[in-house]
Amino acid sequence: EPEVTQTPSHQVTQMGQEVILRCVPISNHLYFYWYRQILGQKVEFLVSFYNNEISEKSEIFDDQFSVERPDGSNFTLKIRSTKLEDSAMYFCASSQGSNQPQHFGDGTRLSIL
Amino acid sequence: QKEVEQNSGPLSVPEGAIASLNCTYSDRVSQSFFWYRQYSGKSPELIMSIYSNGDKEDGRFTAQLNKASQYVSLLIRDSQPSDSATYLCAVLSGSTGFQKLVFGTGTRLLVSP
Repeated sequence: EPEVTQTPSHQVTQMGQEVILRCVPISNHLYFYWYRQILGQKVEFLVSFYNNEISEKSEIFDDQFSVERPDGSNFTLKIRSTKLEDSAMYFCASSQGSNQPQHFGDGTRLSIL
Repeated sequence: QKEVEQNSGPLSVPEGAIASLNCTYSDRVSQSFFWYRQYSGKSPELIMSIYSNGDKEDGRFTAQLNKASQYVSLLIRDSQPSDSATYLCAVLSGSTGFQKLVFGTGTRLLVSP
């Protein structure tokens, strides 16, 4: 069964450094998303992406964050200058349509030191 | 702020019993509802989607939706120890075409052998 793949599985970064999280969505899906989950808390929406542009973003998704689809398969989340509070699991998801089920990747555990 | 409410649990049931998980949501215009299962340290895994009032069955799982009461539930029949996980209720929220999943905090289910 097709799945969303994310790399790396674990990223350790010094505070203030830039980090790029990578995702390969399911191939026939058109809508892409990033969510995060701080340890012990609920899954939170960050951003949705459709037709090569951001369609919606949350208050969390400030100027430090950006997303890009650099080629036909990858979808990346960049955090420009990481903070301690950015430590979380970051999940990429994709769906065929805007109201269709979203399928999640295994996540990247981001640890900021 | 659109909210999704769940009892955090834990909900403890013996093996073979029916587990009943409940969720309420605040966004009256929401049309799409999902149940995800999340094992500790893992990503959300889609179990069920439901879009219309009434019941939807898939194997041992039955989702129930009542839009008038803004209530969604998940029944797990013949519960197994492997069903022990956190069950996340998620509601699609936002304007048509650009929607995001709003998650509840999840209900932790423990199935004892």
